[in-house]
Amino acid sequence: SAVISQKPSRDICQRGTSLTIQCQVDSQVTMMFWYRQQPGQSLTLIATANQGSEATYESGFVIDKFPISRPNLTFSTLTVSNMSPEDSSIYLCSVDAASGSTWDTQYFGPGTRLTVL
Amino acid sequence: RKEVEQDPGPFNVPEGATVAFNCTYSNSASQSFFWYRQDCRKEPKLLMSVYSSGNEDGRFTAQLNRASQYISLLIRDSKLSDSATYLCVARQGGKLIFGQGTELSVKP
Repeated sequence: SAVISQKPSRDICQRGTSLTIQCQVDSQVTMMFWYRQQPGQSLTLIATANQGSEATYESGFVIDKFPISRPNLTFSTLTVSNMSPEDSSIYLCSVDAASGSTWDTQYFGPGTRLTVL
Repeated sequence: RKEVEQDPGPFNVPEGATVAFNCTYSNSASQSFFWYRQDCRKEPKLLMSVYSSGNEDGRFTAQLNRASQYISLLIRDSKLSDSATYLCVARQGGKLIFGQGTELSVKP
């Protein structure tokens, strides 16, 4: 299975600031996914990041708020911009287990726990 | 209506009990299904995939009924270490749709 690391593991930020979260995978993958898990809630997909193209955002998420970079096949960043306390969540990146077929599961990074004051 | 709905929890059971989790999904275009386990303050980890023929992995049995759009997970002889939140997941294309999770607490 893929080994995924995220930085930072946690942060406490002031409202109005931005935080960039990094996700590193130990193998090349076509797609990387960014999820949010709000307190007491389940996971919600924010966007899908393909290398060499713009990320695809889910309903309710916009590029201005959550810009994503995907400079190569092993790395991606998610920025949470102009933060408010409602952005306090765990942010997780994930990758497909193998070929990216619809039968594949996904592996998740350890998450970044963000608290906005 | 949520796309993937699970039994509300928490389930509090004694060691050795059999526990059944139920899940329904609303989008018939969902292609594949999984159960994930999430421990407190950790990332979700795959427990097992779910197939129409049913599949078993040790004490865990998963079933899928596409006609009813229903998924189940059975845990037999539950252990203290089974305490976690169990997430029912449907895949649509590249996207995983998560249920809200059911918390299981196994007591001595």
